[in-house]
Amino acid sequence: AQSVSQHNHHVILSEAASLELGCNYSYGGTVNLFWYVQYPGQHLQLLLKYFSGDPLVKGIKGFEAEFIKSKFSFNLRKPSVQWSDTAEYFCAAVFTGGGNKLTFGTGTQLKVEL
Amino acid sequence: KAGVTQTPRYLIKTRGQQVTLSCSPISGHRSVSWYQQTPGQGLQFLFEYFSETQRNKGNFPGRFSGRQFSNSRSEMNVSTLELGDSALYLCASSPRPFAEAGYEQYFGPGTRLTVT
Repeated sequence: AQSVSQHNHHVILSEAASLELGCNYSYGGTVNLFWYVQYPGQHLQLLLKYFSGDPLVKGIKGFEAEFIKSKFSFNLRKPSVQWSDTAEYFCAAVFTGGGNKLTFGTGTQLKVEL
Repeated sequence: KAGVTQTPRYLIKTRGQQVTLSCSPISGHRSVSWYQQTPGQGLQFLFEYFSETQRNKGNFPGRFSGRQFSNSRSEMNVSTLELGDSALYLCASSPRPFAEAGYEQYFGPGTRLTVT
């Protein structure tokens, strides 16, 4: 079955630490990939997306993600996190032939400590 | 431009009751999608409506239904509520059907439903 998995459910980092959140998907066909963020008390918003082309995509607020097809992965990275990055991060995918709907991972709660 | 609005923001219902949630999309957006967010299951797609027609549906029982009006506002209804229906219900709007809009969508604040 088509699915998205995020193995890190809770991550705690100190400010200025580097961040990498894992995301893997299960599907043999073409996939469109997304990272969303939900800041405390705010709406879910798009961080970045990958459809095709350069596998390294840059998003808002200094985030980037790399699509590695051979590993079925789309990990989110940020070189230096800030306290304001405390939020829940969701990886999501649209699987072509899968009904044009978003399939989300279960989310990673990131806490950045001062 | 005003964002996606959802009403009510919080709701408490009893098992067996039914509930209706409302979503008003961004002005000019004609597609509305609904999602259920729970701690255990994360975010799951419920359905998408465009031009008053359901275009897509997730894997939820028939107790979950929706509709869209000519002004693009959408409602979702859950009948015979169960404890497991307690969740944050998110609505998202797109200018066109989700797939045709480059998978662009904007989320509302959600309605927190608690079933006791």
